Amino acid sequence: SQQGEEDPQALSIQEGENATMNCSYKTSINNLQWYRQNSGRGLVHLILIRSNEREKHSGRLRVTLDTSKKSSSLLITASRAADTASYFCATDAGKNTGNQFYFGTGTSLTVIP
Amino acid sequence: NAGVMQNPRHLVRRRGQEARLRCSPMKGHSHVYWYRQLPEEGLKFMVYLQKENIIDESGMPKERFSAEFPKEGPSILRIQQVVRGDSAAYFCASSPRAGGHEAFFGQGTRLTVV
Repeated sequence: SQQGEEDPQALSIQEGENATMNCSYKTSINNLQWYRQNSGRGLVHLILIRSNEREKHSGRLRVTLDTSKKSSSLLITASRAADTASYFCATDAGKNTGNQFYFGTGTSLTVIP
Repeated sequence: NAGVMQNPRHLVRRRGQEARLRCSPMKGHSHVYWYRQLPEEGLKFMVYLQKENIIDESGMPKERFSAEFPKEGPSILRIQQVVRGDSAAYFCASSPRAGGHEAFFGQGTRLTVV
């Protein structure tokens, strides 16, 4: 399978704390993306990091990528109750033909007000 | 610019019936992707289409499933003779170009087979 795996499967934190989620994948990639999904809704793109990048920031989000370990992490700082959602990493598995993504099973984040 | 539009949002079918799921990509996007999400699982890639062409259908079951993206109109994912195991959320995504870009997802169609 080309899917990634997120760790932990579930995470519960207090509002204001930081949340860290990890993703491991199996094949070489061109880029890795993080998406968020609120319960019963579609996915919202958060951030894309290319294989030649090591770290990327967007607002309260910080993503790292270690291609030697085939892993990535998503850090959400100063979490808010509205950050409660499932978070997925997705890779392109090295394909150059399109944006076919291979998703992990997700981390369910609960931020307690 | 409207986002990716999927309809219907919810679809109930009896075993053996056909399900047709529609996806209108964002304006200007000619690349469409279909994914299936089972309860409590991540999304699984099914098929990638450009206008009138199937580019990659490696994730789509060989039987009963088909997809098209005609020159005019929405992309259609068709499931014939549905079974209970087809019950899932089906998401469509679109992008303006191939490779290395974010994809924009629709809200999904939740198919329930009874």
